[in-house]
Amino acid sequence: SAVISQKPSRDICQRGTSLTIQCQVDSQVTMMFWYRQQPGQSLTLIATANQGSEATYESGFVIDKFPISRPNLTFSTLTVSNMSPEDSSIYLCSVDRGTAADTQYFGPGTRLTVL
Amino acid sequence: GNSVTQMEGPVTLSEEAFLTINCTYTATGYPSLFWYVQYPGEGLQLLLKATKADDKGSNKGFEATYRKETTSFHLEKGSVQVSDSAVYFCALSDQTGGFKTIFGAGTRLFVKA
Repeated sequence: SAVISQKPSRDICQRGTSLTIQCQVDSQVTMMFWYRQQPGQSLTLIATANQGSEATYESGFVIDKFPISRPNLTFSTLTVSNMSPEDSSIYLCSVDRGTAADTQYFGPGTRLTVL
Repeated sequence: GNSVTQMEGPVTLSEEAFLTINCTYTATGYPSLFWYVQYPGEGLQLLLKATKADDKGSNKGFEATYRKETTSFHLEKGSVQVSDSAVYFCALSDQTGGFKTIFGAGTRLFVKA
């Protein structure tokens, strides 16, 4: 398994500002993922972050809005830029072990409210 | 492409009732199948998984069997408890999807004492 922590756990932000969310893993992992969970909905993958390369974004998500850093094998950040109320969601970081039966391990999430 | 469909919630049961949450999938390859659970105010955690046809995953009294012929992975528990109240997500991952995990919409379960 993997122990994953996220900071902050929650935040309330003003429209037009940016927030950076940190994700720390207790062991080295190849792939880290960032998800968004809008109120009452399922998880939507934002991007996959591999160390040493640019993040790969899913359809509907762009780097200018959600820049991601992956400076090493245990850490990643997701920034939500120029926020609007529609960005109010839970943002979840996850990792997997890169095996054939890919179980994902999730952080506790960051609950973001944009006013 | 790959997809997961699960029954809509919320599901409301009395304590000790039998639980079934239906899940069906569409996949081009041979996926691994998962059930994740999200307790109130927490992130997702793996509940159980199955990696090939006819495998049964089980944990904490929950079970699900990988049925390739019906492309299903229904979650069952014989006797639910109030502490099982949570949102349950069915999911799949396979090589043709680049091992990305695809989640169903989630089913909220309420268990009354």
